[in-house]
Amino acid sequence: NAGVTQTPKFQVLKTGQSMTLQCAQDMNHNSMYWYRQDPGMGLRLIYYSASEGTTDKGEVPNGYNVSRLNKREFSLRLESAAPSQTSVYFCASSEGGRGAYNEQFFGPGTRLTVL
Amino acid sequence: DAKTTQPTSMDCAEGRAANLPCNHSTISGNEYVYWYRQIHSQGPQYIIHGLKNNETNEMASLIITEDRKSSTLILPHATLRDTAVYYCIVRASLSSGSARQLTFGSGTQLTVLP
Repeated sequence: NAGVTQTPKFQVLKTGQSMTLQCAQDMNHNSMYWYRQDPGMGLRLIYYSASEGTTDKGEVPNGYNVSRLNKREFSLRLESAAPSQTSVYFCASSEGGRGAYNEQFFGPGTRLTVL
Repeated sequence: DAKTTQPTSMDCAEGRAANLPCNHSTISGNEYVYWYRQIHSQGPQYIIHGLKNNETNEMASLIITEDRKSSTLILPHATLRDTAVYYCIVRASLSSGSARQLTFGSGTQLTVLP
């Protein structure tokens, strides 16, 4: 199993450009998440999807859109990139559903620089 | 979810036990304590979680005080590869069909010294 995969690993954009970050998981998990991590800080949730067909805003959703394409895939789109969106983006997944044990599995991250 | 307080950084000698404290004095009865770590440039990794009782797995032990207002993560024999930022997170259990995000603070930078 590959776990959680993310593409691309690195990306440089100019202000105003758009792009989509891709995430896929092969663990048959119901829930998926997008976080961003700025230098020296903890992760902050952008959007999450509790189950296929649903998405909800997290702590810092402005400037982003998401699509839960199917159970495996959850993409994050920047419509008009800004320098403030320079960050490392992590995708995660978890089983979801009832219960306390809901370990989140994280991908390797996408390092995005907006000039 | 309750707020947590952790020291900014700690050092530990290789082969010794690393004891990482976490204060969560406002924790409520249905909230669990989770620990994750993030090795430089990688995605966070789950370590352990607990509610009331002490827990142990192949990676670490979690000691929760009787009043549940603080906890300690113990890495029994720290190695250089344990150098990472360790996050203590308090979160309620899930309700059916919902997802609960993890709220990461700044964590503790643990440096294992040779």
